[in-house]
Parts: sequence; C-alpha cells; structure tokens
Amino acid sequence: QVQLVESGGGLVKPGGSLRLSCAASGFTFSDYYMSWIRQAPGKGLECISYISSSGSTIYYADSVKGRFTISRDNAKNSLFLQMNSLRTEDTAVYYCARDYRGDRYWGQGTLVTVSS
Amino acid sequence: DVVMTQSPLSLPVTLGQPASISCRSSQSLVYSDGNTYLNWFQQRPGQSPRRLIYKVSNRDSGVPDRFSGSGSGTDFTLKISRVEAEDVGIYYCMQGTHWPGTFGQGTKLEIK
Repeated sequence: QVQLVESGGGLVKPGGSLRLSCAASGFTFSDYYMSWIRQAPGKGLECISYISSSGSTIYYADSVKGRFTISRDNAKNSLFLQMNSLRTEDTAVYYCARDYRGDRYWGQGTLVTVSS
Repeated sequence: DVVMTQSPLSLPVTLGQPASISCRSSQSLVYSDGNTYLNWFQQRPGQSPRRLIYKVSNRDSGVPDRFSGSGSGTDFTLKISRVEAEDVGIYYCMQGTHWPGTFGQGTKLEIK
C-alpha cells in the first residue's frame, strides 16, 4: 500500500535551518510529482512547493521562495525540503503528498516549531 | 493564484440531518484536458486530511455513499445526506487545475 512518512521536524530558533524528509513506498515514486503542504496551528492548508517527477520543474509559494529548497532522490524514493532562514510564521505541520492536483495520499505530517 | 471561497465556515448539524457546503473558485476549474480538478478533503481533529471526493463528483474508495459532490465551472457543492457523529471535522475544497493548488478556508462541521 502507498505510504508517505515524513521526518526531520523539530524546534528551531528563528533564522535557523531544518531539513525535512519524506520516505515513499508502495508506488513508483519516479512517476509522480510530489508536493509539500503545510498547516499552521489552527489554520488552513497551504501548498508551498512542488517538484516534477524528474526534478526539472519546481514551484515555490511566495511565502517560502528564496528560503526553502525542494529536491528528490528517485533512487531512494525520497523527497526533501531544505528550510533556511526560518521565521516564526513557518511554524506548522508539514505534509508531503503525492502529486499536486490533490491526490489522496498524504503523510502523517511532521511538526516544525520556530521559536526562540 | 486561484481563490477558493467556502460557505458556510461553521456548520452545526443535527445527527441524521443533511448538510451542504459550497465552494466557489475565482476562475474556471476546467483544465485543457477536459477534467475539472476539484477535490474535497475531510480533516478530523488531530488527523491528516483525507480526500473524500476527486474531480468534482468521484468518491474515493472507502468513503461512505452519504457523501456526494457536484458542480461545474466555478461553483461546487459537497453534500452529506445524513450526518453521523464521525463526520465532525473541517472540510476543505481544493483545486488542482491551476498551479499552485489552492484550498478553501475550511468549513467546521459540528453536531448540534
């Protein structure tokens, strides 16, 4: 069955960095776009980044552009999100999801807390 | 970005009664391939979002048939024919037609 498992979240100070990972299984990872979606505490859902199956096409929301970098390793069925220059407003649960059109498969999320 | 507007934002419903959530997009969600990538997600407290409906009216496997989706163009609706206790949560519409995908603000369904 399809599984997406995020890791790498935690507590970080403003201005710090964190790298999130998403391990995929149960489907041909290299065939799919992948995305990162976040949800601030008590708030709605925001698509922040996508990457095409080959990695050649990438999108970032304005809120993270220039600070976050999405990447993937198709040989290891893994998706990554390098987050630099973190701000308090980046505090959220970060989900990886298959595809970018609203797939049914999401991970359980990993909590990133940016606080001094 | 496409703006998705849901109403109502709060929906108190009596058990066994129907419920309806509206979602409007700021532009047509019909893609060049003829599909309309409008999805509905349910988020129960403390859980990840779960997709209920894809491409307007297709129910995901395992989703009870009391959930149905309809609409076209810019106007869409999620209906629950008879609300059950397990339906409590927040419902989001989400469009995947235009890059980037965008979500509605969410509708909180609670039991009266």
